[in-house]
Order: sequence, then C-alpha cells, then structure tokens
Amino acid sequence: AQKITQTQPGMFVQEKEAVTLDCTYDTSDQSYGLFWYKQPSSGEMIFLIYQGSYDEQNATEGRYSLNFQKARKSANLVISASQLGDSAMYFCAMREGYSSASKIIFGSGTRLSIRP
Amino acid sequence: ETGVTQTPRHLVMGMTNKKSLKCEQHLGHNAMYWYKQSAKKPLELMFVYNFKEQTENNSVPSRFSPECPNSSHLFLHLHTLQPEDSALYLCASSQLGQGRVGSGNTIYFGEGSWLTVV
Repeated sequence: AQKITQTQPGMFVQEKEAVTLDCTYDTSDQSYGLFWYKQPSSGEMIFLIYQGSYDEQNATEGRYSLNFQKARKSANLVISASQLGDSAMYFCAMREGYSSASKIIFGSGTRLSIRP
Repeated sequence: ETGVTQTPRHLVMGMTNKKSLKCEQHLGHNAMYWYKQSAKKPLELMFVYNFKEQTENNSVPSRFSPECPNSSHLFLHLHTLQPEDSALYLCASSQLGQGRVGSGNTIYFGEGSWLTVV
C-alpha cells in the first residue's frame, strides 16, 4: 500500500502567488517524522522542512510552512510569495518508528512550475 | 553545501566496464544510504549502512556492490551494468538512534551522480 501520496503530478503557479503542495501519508506508528525536499533540474535533493508527529505547532522555515493535519494524515507544503527559483520537483517523505533501522519513504513528487 | 559530497557528478560507462561512485559525509552521521532515481519513477532505496554495517538491501542486483569502510565514506561499485541502470544515484546520510523520531533524523543528500550506461 502507498505510504506517501502526492496527488498533483504537476502544477503551474504565477510568480508571487502562494502555492500548496499536497501530501497524505499512512502509518500506524505514533512516532514519525515528515519531511519535504526540493529537487531542481540539477538533481540535488534539498531538505526544506521537518514536522514531527508530536509537534503541536506547524513547522515554518522562511517562505515554507507545513500545514500538518494529524487526524487527516496530511502534511501539505505551503510556499508563500513564489519565486521563479522555486520551479523544481518537490517530494514529501516520512520516517516511522523508534527503530534505528527505520527508513525514509518518499512520495512520487510534484513538479512545480512558476510562471513570470 | 549539504555536507554530503558525491563524485563523479557524471559518468558514462560501457556495459563491460567497472567503475565506482564515491560518497563522503562531513556531518558526523552514523548512517549512509544509496538511492536510485530513474526517469518517471519514485526514489528507490537501494542500501542502508548503519555504523558501517549493512542493514538493508532492497533486492538490488549483484552488479551493484556497496562498500562502507567507515561511517563517513560510502562507495557503490558498478560492473557489467545494463542500459536500464542509467539513472541518478543519490547518496545520503542521517543520524539514527533509538527513541522518538525527531528533526535530528533528517536525511541529507549529496548532489547525485548521473550515470549513463551505453
């Protein structure tokens, strides 16, 4: 079963507008972490933001914020005031559990294109 | 600069060649990973090393051979590859440990090695 679902394969947004990238997840663990990464065409995977399952407040990092709705199992990324340099693939990911062997699972990604 | 360095950035090799990808992390992490990213496919975890011990091998063909001599270095040895092995290979590292998952378990990636098998 898919553990991380990103339902938007591609999105086009006008520069300076805010954009929300959707992510839903599936886990039965109480302790888990949610991550968002940005991948430009150069290939590097850039860490953007982290949300822990026990965190009561939504995570924010500059123009990035995470809309965490635990009961709905969603962790949407919000980018405010989008810029041309935000055009990239965006991946949602999750790490489960207490085990030191726990691994991180990635969604299929959303390609975001910013229009000037 | 993420603290994870991969070389080479680009590699073209024939199906009979033997080559290696190298990864080095300067973050003091205890776990290192190899991921494969093919066009139009999700990121695939290949290998995980925790304190130099391999803890995961996701049914990767034996033509891919990992080596982790210490917790800072990770290699992927390549031999007799197929054209379908052409992909972006990403190395990553993180800190793993018992207890609640936290921001300290964030996984950091290198810039990737673009591999083309001809």
